[in-house]
Amino acid sequence: SAVISQKPSRDICQRGTSLTIQCQVDSQVTMMFWYRQQPGQSLTLIATANQGSEATYESGFVIDKFPISRPNLTFSTLTVSNMSPEDSSIYLCSVTSGSLFEQYFGPGTRLTVT
Amino acid sequence: GDSVTQMEGPVTLSEEAFLTINCTYTATGYPSLFWYVQYPGEGLQLLLKATKADDKGSNKGFEATYRKETTSFHLEKGSVQVSDSAVYFCALRSYNTDKLIFGTGTRLQVFP
Repeated sequence: SAVISQKPSRDICQRGTSLTIQCQVDSQVTMMFWYRQQPGQSLTLIATANQGSEATYESGFVIDKFPISRPNLTFSTLTVSNMSPEDSSIYLCSVTSGSLFEQYFGPGTRLTVT
Repeated sequence: GDSVTQMEGPVTLSEEAFLTINCTYTATGYPSLFWYVQYPGEGLQLLLKATKADDKGSNKGFEATYRKETTSFHLEKGSVQVSDSAVYFCALRSYNTDKLIFGTGTRLQVFP
């Protein structure tokens, strides 16, 4: 398994500002994923981030709103830009690890936009 | 496209009761199937998995069998505990991708 940490664990931000969320993994992984979990809802994939290439975004998510960096095989950041209250969610980082490509999740970043 | 359907919650049980949370899926090919659990205030933890038809995943007293004929992966536990109170997510990974598709989640509440 992989151990994943995220920073910050939670934040309260004002509308119109941006927040960068960091994801650190204790081992080198090829693929990292960013998910959003809106209050009381399931998880929705935002994008897939591979080291050395541009992130691949899912339908409904764009790079200008959610820019992602993946500078190496153990680290990634997700920025939530120009925030509005609708961006209030838990943002989770995940990675695939092991020969069976199991997917593991970080503890999440709980974002509240006021 | 591929999708996962879970029974709606909350599911409310007394301690030591039998648990079933239904999950059915739609997918092309042969997906892998997973159950994740999210305890209050925490991230998701992989509970169990099955990668091919008739496989049974098990962990912590929970079980689920990959039924291709009924496209189902129902989660069961013979005797629940208060500490099992959490949200349970069924998920699939299509055979040609690493992306997970999640169901809507089912909240389980176990009372003493």
